[in-house]
Amino acid sequence: GENVEQHPSTLSVQEGDSAVIKCTYSDSASNYFPWYKQELGKGSQLIIDIRSNVGEKKDQRIAVTLNKTAKHFSLHITETQPEDSAVYFCAAEIGAGSYQLTFGKGTKLSVIP
Amino acid sequence: GAVVSQHPSRVICKSGTSVKIECRSLDFQATTMFWYRQFPKQSLMLMATSNEGSKATYEQGVEKDKFLINHASLTLSTLTVTSAHPEDSSFYICSARDVDGAYNEQFFGPGTRLTVL
Repeated sequence: GENVEQHPSTLSVQEGDSAVIKCTYSDSASNYFPWYKQELGKGSQLIIDIRSNVGEKKDQRIAVTLNKTAKHFSLHITETQPEDSAVYFCAAEIGAGSYQLTFGKGTKLSVIP
Repeated sequence: GAVVSQHPSRVICKSGTSVKIECRSLDFQATTMFWYRQFPKQSLMLMATSNEGSKATYEQGVEKDKFLINHASLTLSTLTVTSAHPEDSSFYICSARDVDGAYNEQFFGPGTRLTVL
């Protein structure tokens, strides 16, 4: 089955700096990779996703890059703000077309004002 | 955006009792809902996939007779933890896939924290 590794487990950055979280996956058939932000009381919210037919996707301060050959994808947050502090999870679809996700173990991001 | 609710948000029960958790898609129809379990400081682990009108598909190691899932309508799935024990204490999260939405996109509920005494 799919195995997703996520690093780092914790990350502290100064406000205004960039944050990068990296994930690797094992199933070469996977073609959908979402990122979720989890905050207390708010559940897990999709912040950005990428499909295997593109190598990069950007949405304002958030971007995701995908390297299918190396089977890794990364989340980039620029100009970080205190409200970016949360736990971030990467995920990969199990196989292709299953709609099931395998999650990484999460990264606790702390943005220091 | 699409909203998924869960009820209750928090429940405390005695060992041996059963607890039902509801997952509702409020403004969209969901043919598929997923149930996850999350332990403190750990990732979401998929327990089962619930399809409207059919039996749920359980992941390896998840007891289907202990975690009963019912997906009776396009907007409601329920997870019943039967004969709960302290080791069942966890955070349970559901997600729903919008039948008319973007391919693969799932919307998550806020979660239910179960504590079994």
